[in-house]
Amino acid sequence: DAGITQSPRHKVTETGTPVTLRCHQTENHRYMYWYRQDPGHGLRLIHYSYGVKDTDKGEVSDGYSVSRSKTEDFLLTLESATSSQTSVYFCAISESVTANSPLHFGNGTRLTVT
Amino acid sequence: KNQVEQSPQSLIILEGKNCTLQCNYTVSPFSNLRWYKQDTGRGPVSLTIMTFSENTKSNGRYTATLDADTKQSSLHITASQLSDSASYICVVSPPNYGGSQGNLIFGKGTKLSVKP
Repeated sequence: DAGITQSPRHKVTETGTPVTLRCHQTENHRYMYWYRQDPGHGLRLIHYSYGVKDTDKGEVSDGYSVSRSKTEDFLLTLESATSSQTSVYFCAISESVTANSPLHFGNGTRLTVT
Repeated sequence: KNQVEQSPQSLIILEGKNCTLQCNYTVSPFSNLRWYKQDTGRGPVSLTIMTFSENTKSNGRYTATLDADTKQSSLHITASQLSDSASYICVVSPPNYGGSQGNLIFGKGTKLSVKP
């Protein structure tokens, strides 16, 4: 398995509270991504990073922010959690963006907003 | 809108049997098509990646085929094992722009159950 650690693995929080999810990689890959996975939907991109301090929005970025101060860490923050943000969140990394470069995923964080 | 549709939604087969999962896409042009396996409670794991010019790619008992003319791909699993029980996700990438893989389009997956 690629060296990707997501923390926490499970979290329950209340509506309106801030939440930060962490993704840590030991592969020294340049590109990092945050996805959410919900029943009835394919994986959807929230934000991605193409280098330290370089980030951009994905398809479903509203209500989320990210930061990448080191190559190995990519943080996802929900400034004020809502019930619609209950989901499983996956971090992914890739070495490059060439056609044959696969995404490697972490094992996810299950977030429940009550 | 670019879409990736997978069928069937779910499938139950007996151990040792073969099966084929389907993926139809409307993304055009596209750069590559990928198949991922996702075990329950785990992240997806890459099985195969095919560029638009490739017709087939194998990874052990998994063989993916691609017909760019009909915009269809299939994943064939040979001699299924209990450990093949998982969701299988088809992913299509339009030609890259902006220097990232942030434009991948994921299907909803096919849930395969292999019974003894």
